[in-house]
Amino acid sequence: EIVMTQSPATLSVSPGEGATLSCWASQSVSSNLAWYQQKPGQAPRFLIFGASTRATGIPARFSGSGSGTEFTLTISSLQSEDFAVYYCQQYNSWPFTFGQGTKLEIK
Amino acid sequence: EVQLVESGGGLVQPGGSLRLSCAASGFPFRDYWMHWVRQAPGKGLVWVSRISPDGSSTSYADSVKGRFTVSRDTAKNTAYLQITTLRAEDTAVYYCARDLTGNVLDLWGQGTLVTVSS
Repeated sequence: EIVMTQSPATLSVSPGEGATLSCWASQSVSSNLAWYQQKPGQAPRFLIFGASTRATGIPARFSGSGSGTEFTLTISSLQSEDFAVYYCQQYNSWPFTFGQGTKLEIK
Repeated sequence: EVQLVESGGGLVQPGGSLRLSCAASGFPFRDYWMHWVRQAPGKGLVWVSRISPDGSSTSYADSVKGRFTVSRDTAKNTAYLQITTLRAEDTAVYYCARDLTGNVLDLWGQGTLVTVSS
């Protein structure tokens, strides 16, 4: 099973600033990496797939990069609605696995 | 409206069973792989199972293999997760999700809570 590790566990950022979230895979997943956003009491929301392709309707301030074992989600100019938990997920091999999440909180 | 709606969760005793349902609407259900993902209280997301569009292919996480069974009824636009021999560690919100392509989950239901407790 591929283990996904996210860092940091919690990130405190002020609105208007940028944030960089990291995700590592225990072995290469190529570009088969997705990102999801989850707010309290809500289902996850699909953000990015293929490591860098935004889902339909996702604002351009969200960008993803990386391949192999190291990935990054960057959110520029944070809006109030962006404060949430973010999960990376590899879909290169079964069982598909998620990272433990990064909580992005208001500073 | 394109949506998934789960139901069937509840409080069940250890060793008990439940059948979760996921009703799809607004898209051609028969064309999509469907997945189940669970989230224990305060914890992260864990993949549980998936089923192919025609129901002929299924996969399960090791933790549920032999106890959970995924199925679907195309006529009813509904996917199911039969969960048996429940354990306390199965307590979670169970989400169904649509597979956009290659196991990327682009549409999620609101989830249904399963609580295993005596």
